[in-house]
Formats: sequence, C-alpha cells, structure tokens
Amino acid sequence: AQTVTQSQPEMSVQEAETVTLSCTYDTSESNYYLFWYKQPPSRQMILVIRQEAYKQQNATENRFSVNFQKAAKSFSLKISDSQLGDTAMYFCAFRAGTALIFGKGTTLSVSS
Amino acid sequence: GAVVSQHPSWVICKSGTSVKIECRSLDFQATTMFWYRQFPKQSLMLMATSNEGSKATYEQGVEKDKFLINHASLTLSTLTVTSAHPEDSSFYICSARAGPNLNYEQYFGPGTRLTVT
Repeated sequence: AQTVTQSQPEMSVQEAETVTLSCTYDTSESNYYLFWYKQPPSRQMILVIRQEAYKQQNATENRFSVNFQKAAKSFSLKISDSQLGDTAMYFCAFRAGTALIFGKGTTLSVSS
Repeated sequence: GAVVSQHPSWVICKSGTSVKIECRSLDFQATTMFWYRQFPKQSLMLMATSNEGSKATYEQGVEKDKFLINHASLTLSTLTVTSAHPEDSSFYICSARAGPNLNYEQYFGPGTRLTVT
C-alpha cells in the first residue's frame, strides 16, 4: 500500500524568508505522480506543483520548487520569498492510479 | 478553466433526515469524481470514487448505504447522506478528474460544510 508521510505538523516563517516542507512516501510503483496542494482558510484546495516520477528535473512554479529524491522517496517543497498569502495548510499527495493519497498536512504560518 | 462547483456550500439538517450534495464540473467532462471527508485541521480522507454510469467504489470503512453516490452524467456527481447523525457533521469535498487534454488532473470543489443537529 502507498503511504505519504509529512512529519512537520506546523511550521512558521517570516515574510521574505525561505521555508522547506518535508514529505516522504512509500510505494512499489515505478510510474507515479507527486503533488503539493495548498488549502488556505477558505478550504479550497489549490494545486501548487506537480512532479512526474519519470522526470529527473525538479519541478518549479515561480516561488515554489521541489526537491525530488526518487531513490530516497522524498519530495520536499521549498517556498522562497514567503508571503502572508502563503499561510495555509499544505498537503503532499501521491497518485499511481486514479486516486490521490494525501499526507496529514503541514500548517504553515507566515508572519510579518 | 477547470472549475468544479459544489452545492450547497453550507447545510444544517436535523438528525434523521437526509441531505444531498452536488458536485459539478463546469467546463470539462469528468468520467471519474471523488468524494472526500475532512475533519478540522486534518487531512482529506477518500470516501469513494464514482465513475459515470456505474456504481461507486467505496473505501474500507465507509458505509455505502449511508453515503449514497450517484454519477449520472459526465458533469454531475451527487453525495446523499442518509439518516444523518451528529457524527456525520464534517466538511465534504469533491474532486473531478479531467481528461488527457488537462493531464488527467484532479480539480477540487470548494467543499460543503454539513452540520447535523
């Protein structure tokens, strides 16, 4: 069975600083996708970034980038130049078939 | 593009009654939709996967007779909570899986807050 583990329940960062959220996963599949979703106080799930397992290059979306270590089954999210609007719960997710499997989430607080 | 709506956004019902939640993909067709349940400050728990025109597949521990799912068209799935009880109070989120033109991405609805009194 696939599992996704986020070991940081809460994190905090100052505006303009950089923060890294950790995620590890376990699977025997060779073809899969990894995602980071953001859930702000509105509770609308927002896709932040996705990574295909067959791609060695780390995905990047503006201030958001990932460090994908396939052998270590690690998929961390780096947020650069943190903004107040980044305050949210962040979920790491895995998909091998059709359904997404979510980690327990990390609550990120950005302060001024 | 790729918008998913849910209706209602918030509903209060009395214990013993049934309530229906709608999930619509507004600008794409979704052969597969998913229903999740989320308690405060917790993760999303997959309840069931629904495929258009066929019976839903429920996750272990989810009562199929209590949470009725219908996926009658490529743009609409409904979740009916039957004989609701206070412990069914939760935040329910649907997502719709797009086709190859959108990389089979899942798009999430804004959620429905159910309170059973």
